[in-house]
Order: sequence, then C-alpha cells, then structure tokens
Amino acid sequence: SAVISQKPSRDICQRGTSLTIQCQVDSQVTMMFWYRQQPGQSLTLIATANQGSEATYESGFVIDKFPISRPNLTFSTLTVSNMSPEDSSIYLCSGLRDTGYGNTIYFGEGSWLTVV
Amino acid sequence: RKEVEQDPGPFNVPEGATVAFNCTYSNSASQSFFWYRQDCRKEPKLLMSVYSSGNEDGRFTAQLNRASQYISLLIRDSKLSDSATYLCVVNPGDMRFGAGTRLTVKP
Repeated sequence: SAVISQKPSRDICQRGTSLTIQCQVDSQVTMMFWYRQQPGQSLTLIATANQGSEATYESGFVIDKFPISRPNLTFSTLTVSNMSPEDSSIYLCSGLRDTGYGNTIYFGEGSWLTVV
Repeated sequence: RKEVEQDPGPFNVPEGATVAFNCTYSNSASQSFFWYRQDCRKEPKLLMSVYSSGNEDGRFTAQLNRASQYISLLIRDSKLSDSATYLCVVNPGDMRFGAGTRLTVKP
C-alpha cells in the first residue's frame, strides 16, 4: 500500500473563512488527486494535482474556490475558500501507485470539515 | 449512461448469508478493476483487485465479465463486520468510482 497522511483530520470553520488541507504521500505515488464526499453521497473528484503547475479541475469545480498546489512529488494542498455550510464534507487526498497490477489508488484518512 | 454504475442497494442480509454486488462499466477499453470498502465516516480502502480469470480472497470472490462489461463481488458467510459500503473502481487512471453499494449484515 501507499502511505498518505492528511491534516487536519477535522475542523469546524466559520462561514466565509478558508481552510487549507495538507497531504503528504510516499515516494511511490505518481499522481495525486483530491476528492470530496458529502454526507451520504459518493466520492466526487475535485481535481488532479499536477506537480509544479495548475491543477486539472473537474466540471463544477474551479480554482478560485478550490485552489490546489503541488510543489513537489510528495506534497499537495487543497484550500476550500470562502466556505459556506454547503462545503461541509469530507475531503480526501489520494495517490496513484503502480502495484504490478496496473495503477491502484490509495486514500488518506480524510479531513472532515464542518462549516457553521 | 454513467461510466461506472453499481447496484444501488441497500442490501440487508442475515449473518451467514451469501451476497453479490455488480458493477457495470461503459468503457470497453478498461483494463484494471478494483473493489474498495468504505466504513462509515472512514476513507475507502482497497479490498481486492479483479483479475481477468477471477480471483478469491477468503470469503470474497471477484469476477470480471468483459463481454457484458461488469465486475462482481461475492461475499460468502457474511459477518457483522462486513457491513460497509462497497465501491467499484474501473481504470483508476480515469479516477472514476461507482456510487457504492451499502451492505448491512444483521444478527
């Protein structure tokens, strides 16, 4: 498996503020991704974190709201900007690693965000 | 049609039962397939890969049907601890997950 750690593990934030989530992966990971999972819902891909360049966002997600950085191979951050209660969700960092049977995705433990 | 679709569930089964989930995919060029398990308020964790010839891991059996474009997960002798949501992933490089099938195993 791959080692992926995220922080903070949870936070309660005020409406209108921003929060940055950090993710550290081991060197075996090639690609990094950020997902959101709202309560009772399935995983939704936010973006692919590209090393040294702008992230590739999925439909419905924009850089102004979810700025992402990946300054090197093993570290990425996701910022949730100008938060509203609708942003309350678990945010998951993930990494892709070649296990010998093609690429396998592994997840960090997630960051539980509650916006009040 | 969604790229990856799963049985919606929920599945409520008694302990000891056998239960099976399916996951259909739309891209016939898909090459790699996986099942994940997600417990409540936890991150998804890899359960098993799905090989072309089918594979087994204890009480769990995964199969691939390329002609009909679906994968399946069979759980035999269900345990209370099997209660979770099961997610299928097709072609991890595309980063697409099924919506998940919720399983509850009851005493």
